[in-house]
Amino acid sequence: QSALTQPPSASGSPGQSVTISCTETSSDVDNYNFVSWYQQHPGKAPKLLIYEVTKRPSGVPDRFSGSKSGNTASLTVSGLQAEDEADYYCTSYAGAYTWVFGGGTKLTVL
Amino acid sequence: EGQLEESGGGLVQPGGSLRLSCAASGFSFGAYSMNWVRQAPGKGLEWVSDIRSNGIGTTYADSVKGRFTISRDNAKNSLYLQMNSLRVDDTAVYYCVKDARWAFDIWGQGTMVTVSS
Repeated sequence: QSALTQPPSASGSPGQSVTISCTETSSDVDNYNFVSWYQQHPGKAPKLLIYEVTKRPSGVPDRFSGSKSGNTASLTVSGLQAEDEADYYCTSYAGAYTWVFGGGTKLTVL
Repeated sequence: EGQLEESGGGLVQPGGSLRLSCAASGFSFGAYSMNWVRQAPGKGLEWVSDIRSNGIGTTYADSVKGRFTISRDNAKNSLYLQMNSLRVDDTAVYYCVKDARWAFDIWGQGTMVTVSS
């Protein structure tokens, strides 16, 4: 059972903002700030969007932002575009060189 | 930016074995920890295994511990996953992934492993 809980789905209209949550349910991970987010289009490999809770790799649009409050990390996609329709996964370093993924959220652009 | 290319996937019977390989290019392979992450058909991502840059330290998900072995050859810029005692629920796309800044920054295209009789 995943120690990171994500909503199975989210949606928004073009131009709107959508926030996807990732709640840590295991005490094994809630002391770490190494939360990252990934975007996966159908049939493609995941792509890193956010690392260390809030940092964006070069080349990732600033429409994607990350935050964390307590045991819940969030990914916000601003100015939704059709190409943002994808699956989104959070992951957290769980210590001792182990990792845990959230169950994933399917984002639909209406 | 670097690239990763997996190979070795295929169809295998339950109880069988398979060895996956991953060829790295475009970055200093020996300087980074590497991982395998898998995705069962229609399901989410699951972390499988981690190996430190020196190849000495390894960790595994409970679901594969004792059956899978991760290894690397830094001279050949290659990562491996030896999978034994395969089960039907090991069926998945297996991704080779580079670890940097406590996140997975480079992913291969994946290789499909199907365990079925």
